Amino acid sequence: SQTIHQWPATLVQPVGSPLSLECTVEGTSNPNLYWYRQAAGRGLQLLFYSVGIGQISSEVPQNLSASRPQDRQFILSSKKLLLSDSGFYLCACDRDREETQYFGPGTRLLVL
Amino acid sequence: AQRVTQPEKLLSVFKGAPVELKCNYSYSGSPELFWYVQYSRQRLQLLLRHISRESIKGFTADLNKGETSFHLKKPFAQEEDSAMYYCALRGTGGFKTIFGAGTRLFVKA
Repeated sequence: SQTIHQWPATLVQPVGSPLSLECTVEGTSNPNLYWYRQAAGRGLQLLFYSVGIGQISSEVPQNLSASRPQDRQFILSSKKLLLSDSGFYLCACDRDREETQYFGPGTRLLVL
Repeated sequence: AQRVTQPEKLLSVFKGAPVELKCNYSYSGSPELFWYVQYSRQRLQLLLRHISRESIKGFTADLNKGETSFHLKKPFAQEEDSAMYYCALRGTGGFKTIFGAGTRLFVKA
């Protein structure tokens, strides 16, 4: 079964600094990959999803971007972090014809 | 527009009491509905989905298309059921899963 790795687990960054969060997947090929932000009282907000290498769909306009340089690698980035970027970021994957999503352990980001 | 609504942010029940976590959805077609659960210090994981029509850890959920609801129920709550529960919807043939805001369940001894 799929295993999702995310790092770092926790990150504290100053406002205006860049960001790079990484997600890698094991145990499957050609997965659909997702970035979510989990905020207290607001559930999971889908930020980006990717159905293949180099294919990124953005769900909400924001200060973040995503890239998929390899089949099982999904990166969340920012050039200049804002205070409002603080949150818990989850990477998830699934495969075509399967409906269950598998989630990574998450990265907690605090922007000061 | 696709939307999932969980009206209760927090639900507290005593051990052995029945529990119902409410979920209502808005979708124009025939969606797939799921319940995900996140226990303390664990990853978010699938609890059950409506197409399976199964009971997991004593929980069941029935899709009511007339009321557009997918409430999660358990007749006798256990302390280990304390967790964050998310209702989710996926449209037919789509890649996106829409999550509700979540309900935190506390089961008191």
